[in-house]
Amino acid sequence: DVKVTQSSRYLVKRTGEKVFLECVQDMDHENMFWYRQDPGLGLRLIYFSYDVKMKEKGDIPEGYSVSREKKERFSLILESASTNQTSMYLCASSPSDTPSSYNEQFFGPGTRLTVL
Amino acid sequence: QKEVEQNSGPLSVPEGAIASLNCTYSDRGSQSFFWYRQYSGKSPELIMSIYSNGDKEDGRFTAQLNKASQYVSLLIRDSQPSDSATYLCAASTEGTGGFKTIFGAGTRLFVKA
Repeated sequence: DVKVTQSSRYLVKRTGEKVFLECVQDMDHENMFWYRQDPGLGLRLIYFSYDVKMKEKGDIPEGYSVSREKKERFSLILESASTNQTSMYLCASSPSDTPSSYNEQFFGPGTRLTVL
Repeated sequence: QKEVEQNSGPLSVPEGAIASLNCTYSDRGSQSFFWYRQYSGKSPELIMSIYSNGDKEDGRFTAQLNKASQYVSLLIRDSQPSDSATYLCAASTEGTGGFKTIFGAGTRLFVKA
């Protein structure tokens, strides 16, 4: 089974802090994604990466950056956390050997971040 | 703005009934469609994918796709209380940098015992 893990299930930070969210997958997937999920808004894509050291902006990249130094690890960075970044953050990965399987994403357990 | 629309629910059905979940998408270029199930406090898990018009059956689940109407549905036969969850519809489209998946906000389903 594909396993996607995230560094923390719950995190509480203060406004202005730099926050690192880590995601690791063990299935050698090329593609990795960071989403945030808010009630009534569904999943919104922040950033994604289709290869090591590659990154693409999603729909809501402002206030975030990412790092992918190794294939299995994709990090989300909040440079200066703000209260409107309080949310559930979900990491996902997918293979890219066929166009259809590219999109079958496997999710990690999520990190619920609260910024005070 | 490309969108995937779902009725937020809650949709309530009795145990053993058929639950019907619907979804529309705005981008005619969408090529792949997915249904994810998300239990409260958990992350989404893929339950069905469909790529061509028609029906696709997998156990108690049937996904239906109508590209002309830009409509995707999920039928759950013999609904069980364990099916109570939020169901997310997703549509993928090829764009710059590869495929991009847009998720709907989800429909909450309650199956009453």
